[in-house]
Amino acid sequence: GESVGLHLPTLSVQEGDNSIINCAYSNSASDYFIWYKQESGKGPQFIIDIRSNMDKRQGQRVTVLLNKTVKHLSLQIAATQPGDSAVYFCAENQAGTALIFGKGTTLSVSS
Amino acid sequence: NAGVTQTPKFRVLKTGQSMTLLCAQDMNHEYMYWYRQDPGMGLRLIHYSVGEGTTAKGEVPDGYNVSRLKKQNFLLGLESAAPSQTSVYFCASSWREGPYEQYFGPGTRLTVT
Repeated sequence: GESVGLHLPTLSVQEGDNSIINCAYSNSASDYFIWYKQESGKGPQFIIDIRSNMDKRQGQRVTVLLNKTVKHLSLQIAATQPGDSAVYFCAENQAGTALIFGKGTTLSVSS
Repeated sequence: NAGVTQTPKFRVLKTGQSMTLLCAQDMNHEYMYWYRQDPGMGLRLIHYSVGEGTTAKGEVPDGYNVSRLKKQNFLLGLESAAPSQTSVYFCASSWREGPYEQYFGPGTRLTVT
């Protein structure tokens, strides 16, 4: 079964708001986590990743937080823009080669 | 660099027909993967390869075969297509030693009637 899941299948925000997308994982042995963005009709695109020895990692307008105590991962998008509208997937690495993907959260940004 | 490319982009098959999906990458990646994506689902791993001449089963391998004769190419075959194989198929590749970021192709939309 799924070991990675997202709390909400959809999230609607206003342009300029901050967005938070959540993800729970079940395997405490996972040591690498990654967020992907998938726009309609395209393949997933890398956003940001984090290793289990870190709690937080920042990119351009995005931050990933990892809470190993409760096995929770979140993606924060600052000043959300219409171009951020997409499906966001979290994934975990359990065996060094295979990523296990969650079902995705659809982010809708209205202007 | 083209990155990861997939051929064809769309295909319609009749039940029982066979076909091969081609994936090519020009990043010299060791690892390559085939996923399927169904509505409301995440990506599920079909097969993967950790190097030229190697293949391994993923989460949902039944009904599919793969080959990695050249490092840059990874082929996915459907021997006898079934309606349950209607899906969008994505190929991905990554470095061997990590980071484990996978680079994805644009996908192939397959419909089996």
